[in-house]
Amino acid sequence: QMQLQESGPGLVMPSETVSLTCTVSGFPISGGYYWGWIRQPPGKGLEWIGGIYQSGSTFHSPSLKSRVTMSVDTSKNQFSLRLSSVTAADTAVYYCARLITVSGVYFDYWGQGTLVTVSS
Amino acid sequence: EIVMTQSPVTLSVSPGERATLSCRASQSVSSNLAWYQQKPGQAPRLLIFGASTRATGIPARFSGSGSGTEFTLTISSLQSEDFAVYYCQQYNNWPPLTFGGGTKVEIK
Repeated sequence: QMQLQESGPGLVMPSETVSLTCTVSGFPISGGYYWGWIRQPPGKGLEWIGGIYQSGSTFHSPSLKSRVTMSVDTSKNQFSLRLSSVTAADTAVYYCARLITVSGVYFDYWGQGTLVTVSS
Repeated sequence: EIVMTQSPVTLSVSPGERATLSCRASQSVSSNLAWYQQKPGQAPRLLIFGASTRATGIPARFSGSGSGTEFTLTISSLQSEDFAVYYCQQYNNWPPLTFGGGTKVEIK
């Protein structure tokens, strides 16, 4: 059974960079899928951030592209997200997920999410 | 960017009744639409892709229909575990992948 688990700092100061990691278990991250990040501000809807392939190829939401960096570490079966110059508007639960790209482009397995709060 | 609009925002339904949720796209997305269910404190769960194909393990009471700009998720007979928020997501024109604002199905 595949599982994804996000990890991160919880609290971040405004203007800093937040780094999140998603650890995948039960499935190889180099198994031919894209892996993605989605966020959800408290009490609000879902926003797609971006996705990365095992090769390191990425695609991003245009609205966040300038502040987003993604990477993958196949040796640790992990992929990561860095979001720079954060503000209170970046406060959200951040989810990692596996992205299906064959029969469509959607997310079939999700992590439980990690709350990132931007505050001084 | 394609904007997805869901209605109603909140739907009050009695257990055992039928629930009909709508999702509208700002331009045609063909059948490139997915539906998700999210319960409080949990991650979203994939229900439907391709507008009408149920994901693995999803009960037959969930059905999706529509194409172009108008889509519907129907829950034929609401069970207690179905009270949740439902999101649609288009993948016809991306990036970005875009989600609707969600419909909360609550107990009447």
